[in-house]
Amino acid sequence: AQKITQTQPGMFVQEKEAVTLDCTYDTSDPSYGLFWYKQPSSGEMIFLIYQGSYDQQNATEGRYSLNFQKARKSANLVISASQLGDSAMYFCALSGGSYIPTFGRGTSLIVHP
Amino acid sequence: DAGVIQSPRHEVTEMGQEVTLRCKPISGHDYLFWYRQTMMRGLELLIYFNNNVPIDDSGMPEDRFSAKMPNASFSTLKIQPSEPRDSAVYFCASSLGAKTARKQYFGPGTRLTVT
Repeated sequence: AQKITQTQPGMFVQEKEAVTLDCTYDTSDPSYGLFWYKQPSSGEMIFLIYQGSYDQQNATEGRYSLNFQKARKSANLVISASQLGDSAMYFCALSGGSYIPTFGRGTSLIVHP
Repeated sequence: DAGVIQSPRHEVTEMGQEVTLRCKPISGHDYLFWYRQTMMRGLELLIYFNNNVPIDDSGMPEDRFSAKMPNASFSTLKIQPSEPRDSAVYFCASSLGAKTARKQYFGPGTRLTVT
């Protein structure tokens, strides 16, 4: 069974500061992928970043980076230099060998000017 | 490139009516997923297809829900009869299967309101 836990229901950050959104996971699959999606108030789900379980380096995509700690089973999203447009819901997701994705409940991020 | 297309974007219907949601996946993608999002339950996977074949429909809540994928470029999710508790945002997503690299591309969603 796969499980994703996002313990922070809401986060606040000042514009231009960095913020870390937490995600822990559990899976028995030896090979898996971890994803982060952004859902702004308009409703669409936007893919942000992907990390494979065997990737040697942490994934980065522009201002987004994934702090992957395999032993701790955590895949935290780091957003550097927050912008007002980063205000949204953020979902962590896990896809293992069964290919059935599991999504967390999400974290609401609000960026203050 | 066109993304995942869903129609309608908004649907308001009365209890007991049939509702059909439509999805066109990204060309070439071999997996298609239907999700439902509510405040209470978050994002739930309803069913997914691989090469037009339903693989897992264990997330479909009741027999009132059915999904089809007659070809690689079209899928429908039907609710008959609809009930107020079916009110939610329904997302369709597609992906190109490659081991665990399941980056999914989501459509804009259909906001369904059943009165």
